[in-house]
Amino acid sequence: GQQVMQIPQYQHVQEGEDFTTYCNSSTTLSNIQWYKQRPGGHPVFLIQLVKSGEVKKQKRLTFQFGEAKKNSSLHITATQTTDVGTYFCAGRKTGNQFYFGTGTSLTVIP
Amino acid sequence: NAGVTQTPKFQVLKTGQSMTLQCAQDMNHEYMSWYRQDPGMGLRLIHYSVGAGITDQGEVPNGYNVSRSTTEDFPLRLLSAAPSQTSVYFCASSYDLTSSYEQYFGPGTRLTVT
Repeated sequence: GQQVMQIPQYQHVQEGEDFTTYCNSSTTLSNIQWYKQRPGGHPVFLIQLVKSGEVKKQKRLTFQFGEAKKNSSLHITATQTTDVGTYFCAGRKTGNQFYFGTGTSLTVIP
Repeated sequence: NAGVTQTPKFQVLKTGQSMTLQCAQDMNHEYMSWYRQDPGMGLRLIHYSVGAGITDQGEVPNGYNVSRSTTEDFPLRLLSAAPSQTSVYFCASSYDLTSSYEQYFGPGTRLTVT
């Protein structure tokens, strides 16, 4: 079964609206990473979160790691057409494997 | 640096044929991995390696073999292709997964098995 759940699967927003995607794990994660994949491209690393309750920002993007280290979110403020793509979380437990979420495909309508 | 390279970019196989997907990195990364990406499934780990001579299974290893004879190369072998192996395959590398460095992905190989 899917180790890391991610919702929603798809999101269509008007340019300028906000966007959020959520990841949930049934077990505690040692750390979580976020990736962006443009259509036809490969995943590109955005950020890593390690500490409980950690919040990191990259310009219009805000990443959070839950207090229990079982969930995470990515929030984009005032979306732009350049934000189009699929956003994946990838959680690592205690071993050498990252478990990717199913991804959220973001469409931005100009 | 070229980063992570994969060949071929596209491949069509008939059921039962074998082939090797090539992956190489020039960043002296210890950790390398293979993922497959299917619609609605995200990326699923097939096999990974924490260094030359060391490989291990991921979530979906059946039907695939790997070896790691050098730090740079990590080929993925399909011994007898099946239609269920139609997918996009990504190779990734990381400096040291125990410290959770970011993974660098190659451009992918789109495989169709008929």
